[in-house]
Amino acid sequence: DQQVKQNSPSLSVQEGRISILNCDYTNSMFDYFLWYKKYPAEGPTFLISISSIKDKNEDGRFTVFLNKSAKHLSLHIVPSQPGDSAVYFCAASASGTYKYIFGTGTRLKVLA
Amino acid sequence: GAVVSQHPSRVICKSGTSVKIECRSLDFQATTMFWYRQFPKQSLMLMATSNEGSKATYEQGVEKDKFLINHASLTLSTLTVTSAHPEDSSFYICSARPQHTREAFFGQGTRLTVV
Repeated sequence: DQQVKQNSPSLSVQEGRISILNCDYTNSMFDYFLWYKKYPAEGPTFLISISSIKDKNEDGRFTVFLNKSAKHLSLHIVPSQPGDSAVYFCAASASGTYKYIFGTGTRLKVLA
Repeated sequence: GAVVSQHPSRVICKSGTSVKIECRSLDFQATTMFWYRQFPKQSLMLMATSNEGSKATYEQGVEKDKFLINHASLTLSTLTVTSAHPEDSSFYICSARPQHTREAFFGQGTRLTVV
């Protein structure tokens, strides 16, 4: 049972436009969510996180939105840059565990 | 800050031998470290949670006698793949969580190839 899902395996966006990556989860015990960026043969790099007490968190070009009722979160990147091309994973954690459950990833390609 | 170093980045070993992978938190203390495995074009699968000074907690389906984890200090955890076989070939990644935070930071990963 995949508790964290990223239904879009890939996404292409023009440079300068907005990239929106989506993530859905099923476990209502998750209360902390994170986004990571990953290049091939490298470890994931932390981008941004959000606690379930918030519905939005912003850091520079990256904004994460959380809709608890829909069990859905999204990562917005604006403006998108070619260097943003990578695989993006969302991850979720339940209170007290510190374990992350990762989604399957979305490959973002930003076209120059 | 929050740098995690994993070594080696790449290793090739013969079937039946053991391989040790190190994970170090360079600028923070990590009471908890995690070991993941990633197959090509798939997600990161948590193998085990490593707590300093105590036994690791393994996820269902992960053989603890095959994947030995030692978290000897607040900055070092090791994963030993014992009696490696070709099916153990994979990308192994560690992460470490600074105290009092919920973000974990990842090492660079280790590409293990068993021939």
